[in-house]
Amino acid sequence: QQQVKQSPQSLIVQKGGISIINCAYENTAFDYFPWYQQFPGKGPALLIAIRPDVSEKKEGRFTISFNKSAKQFSLHIMDSQPGDSATYFCAASIGDFNKFYFGSGTKLNVKP
Amino acid sequence: AAGVIQSPRHLIKEKRETATLKCYPIPRHDTVYWYQQGPGQDPQFLISFYEKMQSDKGSIPDRFSAQQFSDYHSELNMSSLELGDSALYFCASSLGAGELFFGEGSRLTVL
Repeated sequence: QQQVKQSPQSLIVQKGGISIINCAYENTAFDYFPWYQQFPGKGPALLIAIRPDVSEKKEGRFTISFNKSAKQFSLHIMDSQPGDSATYFCAASIGDFNKFYFGSGTKLNVKP
Repeated sequence: AAGVIQSPRHLIKEKRETATLKCYPIPRHDTVYWYQQGPGQDPQFLISFYEKMQSDKGSIPDRFSAQQFSDYHSELNMSSLELGDSALYFCASSLGAGELFFGEGSRLTVL
């Protein structure tokens, strides 16, 4: 069963808009939540990550919001650009390990 | 900057054949991971190695084996290939539990 549930499966956003992708998890032992960006034919690349001791982390146009009590976290892409068009995966892991449980991915298409 | 190198990038095999994928981690990285990504699927963790010892195991079939060599490169061996083994196989490396860097993947097609 999917340890991390991700939605939506696909997303179309106009250039300059806000893209929002949501993830939910059940295992409260998870303590590291990264987001990966994957372009076609390429491996996933770390975009931004958060630990459960903070509720929000911002890096440039990318923000993670984390709700520990609801066991949910989301990625917000502000001022979305066509170059952001890619598949985004949320993930979770336990402890200092890179054994990730990935969400099912969201294919983002930013229209010019 | 050097990245994770995987070879071959593409591989076509028949059912019941054997395939070997190679991974060369970023220099000085001591930990290697293998992930399998089926068509339209999320990456699934297979196995990891730290300092040439297996450190963790995920959903790796018994038909698959892997090892990390003294130069830290790793090989994933897959035998008795099945149609369902067709996937992108990613190798990733890290320095300890640091940031994970993925290679560009090896696409295996089983006919």
